[in-house]
Amino acid sequence: EVYLVESGGGLVQPGGSLRLSCGGSGFIFSNAWMNWVRQAPGKGLEWVGHIKSQNDGRTTDYNAPVKGRFSISRDDSKTTLYLQMNDLKSDDTAVYYCTTSVTGPPRRFDYWGQGTLVTVSS
Amino acid sequence: DIQVTQSPPSLSASVGDRVTITCRTSQSISTYLNWYQQRPRTAPKLLIYGASNLQSGVPSRFSGSGSGTEFTLTINSLQPEDFATYYCQQSHSSPRTFGQGTKVEIK
Repeated sequence: EVYLVESGGGLVQPGGSLRLSCGGSGFIFSNAWMNWVRQAPGKGLEWVGHIKSQNDGRTTDYNAPVKGRFSISRDDSKTTLYLQMNDLKSDDTAVYYCTTSVTGPPRRFDYWGQGTLVTVSS
Repeated sequence: DIQVTQSPPSLSASVGDRVTITCRTSQSISTYLNWYQQRPRTAPKLLIYGASNLQSGVPSRFSGSGSGTEFTLTINSLQPEDFATYYCQQSHSSPRTFGQGTKVEIK
């Protein structure tokens, strides 16, 4: 069975940093494009960014609101995805989900973690 | 960026009703459109991919249609477990934008 488990969320002050992790199991992690999607309290879903598989060059792409502040990386040997978040703002307060496509091409998100809450507040 | 506009923002319906949700994109995306269901305090669940393909394990009362810039999610014979929020998402290009969501509530 496929599992994605996020960790690392918590309370951080504006301007601070936090690193989220997402451990994957039950699928070939190294072949998967991995994504982060967030959801502010009471709001909709927002794609944060992705990192492609090793075969596709491990390149990253980010949504404009986080570009230059957030960085996605992966350790395929540990089947773990990371989200390094710097210069955090109150607007970054959200539940952060990692998600991927296991059953098909990377254009759809068919497995999601349970999410981890990041609260940016003084 | 491709803008995704979903309507209506919310709707009230009864068990057994047929429900239709629409998603429009700011430019043509062929059939690169996915639909998700999110129940409160849970992660989203993929329902439909490629505009009209039913994800494995999803009940057949869910269906999707459309191409280009206009898409529809239809739920036939609404069931109690279908009361949730639904999101469309374009997967044509980056950033992978989502619609604003449609909350389906019990009438």
